[in-house]
Amino acid sequence: SAVISQKPSRDICQRGTSLTIQCQVDSQVTMMFWYRQQPGQSLTLIATANQGSEATYESGFVIDKFPISRPNLTFSTLTVSNMSPEDSSIYLCSVEEGHHTDTQYFGPGTRLTVL
Amino acid sequence: RKEVEQDPGPFNVPEGATVAFNCTYSNSASQSFFWYRQDCRKEPKLLMSVYSSGNEDGRFTAQLNRASQYISLLIRDSKLSDSATYLCVAVLYGNNRLAFGKGNQVVVIP
Repeated sequence: SAVISQKPSRDICQRGTSLTIQCQVDSQVTMMFWYRQQPGQSLTLIATANQGSEATYESGFVIDKFPISRPNLTFSTLTVSNMSPEDSSIYLCSVEEGHHTDTQYFGPGTRLTVL
Repeated sequence: RKEVEQDPGPFNVPEGATVAFNCTYSNSASQSFFWYRQDCRKEPKLLMSVYSSGNEDGRFTAQLNRASQYISLLIRDSKLSDSATYLCVAVLYGNNRLAFGKGNQVVVIP
């Protein structure tokens, strides 16, 4: 499967600031996704990062709060804007690949703590 | 009702024993399912896919019961290294999005 890296691996931020998380894949992939996993909760899809067009957001997530870029088929960024303590979470990118197009592989995650 | 439901546990299992747990899903049209393993503070890693009635990989067996809308995972001859949270995932019919359960936490005890 593709090798996926994320930067930063963790960060502690002040409320009101923004953080941009990078996701890099070692091969070209069509589908990239951003998820959030809050403490003790299941993974929740934030959006699908579309190459060359605006991301597709899930219910409850908006572009102003979570702007996403996807400049090419190997890279994407997620920004968490105007952070509050409720944004403390693990943020994971994933890619879809393999014989079955619904199989996803995850990056190592970014652990965000907002004070 | 949540799309995927799991009993979080923990499931305390003596080393060498067998443990099994279920996950229920609400979307009756879902065709594909997965089990992911997640270690503490790590990303989920794909353990097994389930596209028909079941799948087996070594000590791990997954079974799908469409009539009752549940998927099970059975681990035989448990190893200490099997201690992790096992996430059940259903592919939602219509948009191919993945719905994750909260996970079953397994603790293998020496």
